Amino acid sequence: KQEVTQIPAALSVPEGENLVLNCSFTDSAIYNLQWFRQDPGKGLTSLLLIQSSQREQTSGRLNASLDKSSGRSTLYIAASQPGDSATYLCAVIKGAQKLVFGQGTRLTINP
Amino acid sequence: EADIYQTPRYLVIGTGKKITLECSQTMGHDKMYWYQQDPGMELHLIHYSYGVNSTEKGDLSSESTVSRIRTEHFPLTLESARPSHTSQYLCASSKQGPDYGYTFGSGTRLTVV
Repeated sequence: KQEVTQIPAALSVPEGENLVLNCSFTDSAIYNLQWFRQDPGKGLTSLLLIQSSQREQTSGRLNASLDKSSGRSTLYIAASQPGDSATYLCAVIKGAQKLVFGQGTRLTINP
Repeated sequence: EADIYQTPRYLVIGTGKKITLECSQTMGHDKMYWYQQDPGMELHLIHYSYGVNSTEKGDLSSESTVSRIRTEHFPLTLESARPSHTSQYLCASSKQGPDYGYTFGSGTRLTVV
């Protein structure tokens, strides 16, 4: 059974810092990996989708990498801002195209 | 603008009532999904559909049912709501094929009193 783990569970940093969120998964036979952001009580906003043939994707201040062989992905956030405060979820897509989520990293950026 | 819509956004209802949570998408996606999320907890797949007249149960057992009569519409129904059904319900959709990600709606927060 595919398991997805995100470390750390919570992170608090001062504004302006660069930071890295980690995601690991037990089964490397995945199609894609998708990073989401969730604000309290809201739905999920897609940040980046990394297809299995890719190693990284970038969007603005965000960069996500994927290493299937080691079962790891990282989300790098540059020059963090208070508006980046949210829960960040990693999810892998495999057989039958079903998403399997990690438990998330709750990020707080302090002004 | 192509998107995925969920209504209502919030619902407070009494025990024993029948409820339907609506989900519609205008992106022409074949695949649609329902996830359940308790506060601060992980998302769990409860139902999914690969197209019209196709529905399957997800990894988490649920007393709810779904239907897929039209491509764009994937409603979720609870015949008799109970306090244990209190949760957030999130609808998502994706294109056919392994190269596409998911798009999520804003969710319905259900409270059964």
